[in-house]
Amino acid sequence: DIQMTQSPSTLSASVGDRVTITCRASETINTWLAWYQQKPGKAPQVLIYKASTLETGVPSRFSGSGSGTEFTLTISSLHSDDLATYYCQHYKTYSLAFGQGTKVEI
Amino acid sequence: QLQLQESGPGLVKPSETLSLTCTVSGDSINSDSYFWGWIRQPPGKGLEWIGSLSYSGNTYYNPSLRNRVTISMDTSNNHFSLRLNSVTATDTAIYYCARQYYLLLSFAWFDPWGQGTLVTVSS
Repeated sequence: DIQMTQSPSTLSASVGDRVTITCRASETINTWLAWYQQKPGKAPQVLIYKASTLETGVPSRFSGSGSGTEFTLTISSLHSDDLATYYCQHYKTYSLAFGQGTKVEI
Repeated sequence: QLQLQESGPGLVKPSETLSLTCTVSGDSINSDSYFWGWIRQPPGKGLEWIGSLSYSGNTYYNPSLRNRVTISMDTSNNHFSLRLNSVTATDTAIYYCARQYYLLLSFAWFDPWGQGTLVTVSS
C-alpha cells in the first residue's frame, strides 16, 4: 500500500505569510494527487486535483505542484479564513490513501 | 445541485453491525461518470478511506477493512449504503459519503462530500 506523509503536522503563520505544505508518497504516483481543506466542524472540500489543477471557485492564492513522490500545496498569502487542516490524497490505480493532515494556525 | 446526506444510527453496540445510507439528490448514482465513496474520521484524527462503489456496482475496499465492509447501491432509491461488521470502539468516527470522480485508470478525488454523521460504538 502507498503511504502518504505530510509535513509539518502543525504550522503557525501570520496573515499575509506564504505557506507551504509538503506531501510525500512512499512510491511514485505520477500526478495522481488531490489536496483538501477541512475547516473545523465541516466536511473536507477539494482544493486541487491532478496535483496542480485548481478546483473551480478556489481562490488563486492556493496552488499545487509536484509529481512522482513529492508534492507541495502553497498558499501565497495567508488569509484568516484559511484556518483549517489540509490533507493530501493519492488515487493510484484503484487504491487511495490520505496523508495525516497539516493543521494551519493563524 | 448535487447533495449527499448520510443517515443511520448514531450509537452501535460493540460486536454489532454499523449500517449507514447515503441519499443522493441532484444526480443519478448509476451515472457512468462517477464513483461513490465512504470515508471516516475518528474524533480529532485524520481521514481514512473505507471504500468506493462504481456506477455498475463494482466495489473497492481499504485493505485494512476489507474483511468487515460491504458497500452496495440501491438505484431505485438513488442511495448507496455502508455496512461494517463486528464493530469496536475504534470504529467510532464521523462517517462521510462523497461523490468520487473517475479517470481512465482509477477512481480519483472526492467532491462533494456529505455533512457527515457521528457514529459512536459503545455498550
